[in-house]
Amino acid sequence: SQQGEEDPQALSIQEGENATMNCSYKTSINNLQWYRQNSGRGLVHLILIRSNEREKHSGRLRVTLDTSKKSSSLLITASRAADTASYFCATARNSGGSNYKLTFGKGTLLTVNP
Amino acid sequence: GAVVSQHPSRVICKSGTSVKIECRSLDFQATTMFWYRQFPKQSLMLMATSNEGSKATYEQGVEKDKFLINHASLTLSTLTVTSAHPEDSSFYICSARDLGEFTNTEAFFGQGTRLTVV
Repeated sequence: SQQGEEDPQALSIQEGENATMNCSYKTSINNLQWYRQNSGRGLVHLILIRSNEREKHSGRLRVTLDTSKKSSSLLITASRAADTASYFCATARNSGGSNYKLTFGKGTLLTVNP
Repeated sequence: GAVVSQHPSRVICKSGTSVKIECRSLDFQATTMFWYRQFPKQSLMLMATSNEGSKATYEQGVEKDKFLINHASLTLSTLTVTSAHPEDSSFYICSARDLGEFTNTEAFFGQGTRLTVV
């Protein structure tokens, strides 16, 4: 079953604006990760935030994690047309031994208009 | 970052035939590889987890006899879709973990394979 649920499902903004995407999950996690996917392509890792962290930055990306609310947000500042893609959150949970599973949300389709 | 190569990127096959998809870790050893399926405009659904040298662990609802997974080496895992049907048409993506990787690290993904069964 799906763990993460992103909202909004689709977001359209103008270049230069900020984009915020949210993700909620249901069970305990080791970490939460955000990935980007261009249409018909594989996934590219953006940022990972551990369960004991509250905020993390990477370039124009800012991720927050609230484990009490089981939610995370991804903020992309000063968006560019090249940021147009689908963004997925994925929760990592230990599945036994040295394995852990990534469970993906449904994704947010971000369109940045020039 | 580490590179995972998936091949082929696109394949069209006839109903009833089998298709093999390869997933290779190019610059690291992958003890564990994951196979996902993605329908248009939807999320990735984990199909199975494969560990080098052992049988794959399939998720509930995934037919192991239909989706054969082999992880014979630390750099190669294959997914074979047997007796393909049009409903098997989908985007299949693999990901891999580094041998020395701990829990709090990223996964590396292949570029995906678009399978169309006609």
